[in-house]
Amino acid sequence: NAGVTQTPKFQVLKTGQSMTLQCAQDMNHEYMSWYRQDPGMGLRLIHYSVGAGITDQGEVPNGYNVSRSTTEDFPLRLLSAAPSQTSVYFCASSYQGSGELFFGEGSRLTVL
Amino acid sequence: RKEVEQDPGPFNVPEGATVAFNCTYSNSASQSFFWYRQDCRKEPKLLMSVYSSGNEDGRFTAQLNRASQYISLLIRDSKLSDSATYLCVVNPLSGSARQLTFGSGTQLTVLP
Repeated sequence: NAGVTQTPKFQVLKTGQSMTLQCAQDMNHEYMSWYRQDPGMGLRLIHYSVGAGITDQGEVPNGYNVSRSTTEDFPLRLLSAAPSQTSVYFCASSYQGSGELFFGEGSRLTVL
Repeated sequence: RKEVEQDPGPFNVPEGATVAFNCTYSNSASQSFFWYRQDCRKEPKLLMSVYSSGNEDGRFTAQLNRASQYISLLIRDSKLSDSATYLCVVNPLSGSARQLTFGSGTQLTVLP
């Protein structure tokens, strides 16, 4: 059972570079989301989607874009990386937006 | 005041001990509550939901106190494998994961 799959697991970028974090789930969940986790801050919602073709901003959306062309995939794009985006990123999905989130293993991003 | 506050710990307890964590929340209209567990450098995983009447799952007991706006997690007969960070999660809306607010976590280390 794959669940939620994130790639890459580790990435180092230079300031100004762009990249895409991939997220895929095989549970047919309508709700998908991206969080970032920083020390002492808890998980903060970046963007979320309640279904294919529908996305919305979370608490900290600046500097990130998302799209949801299929139920399975929800990529997160960093447009122009900044050191403040150094963090651990988690993709999560849930059934109909319930509080039971299934997380991917995380992507550790360092921006130099 | 943070929406969801947890004592960061660390809590260092001997194997077999009973340990309890509290988590306070600021939104009195919050509808649903959860405890997640996060192992070091891993993704969060749902430990248990917290119901109004309280609930128990083996050695773990979760309780909700709406009057004082806190939830608690009690772990009895601690095992080495219980060492992790425990995240309190509060949802002001039932059935909408978009509003989930994560605490920054309480770190538990169970010592042999």
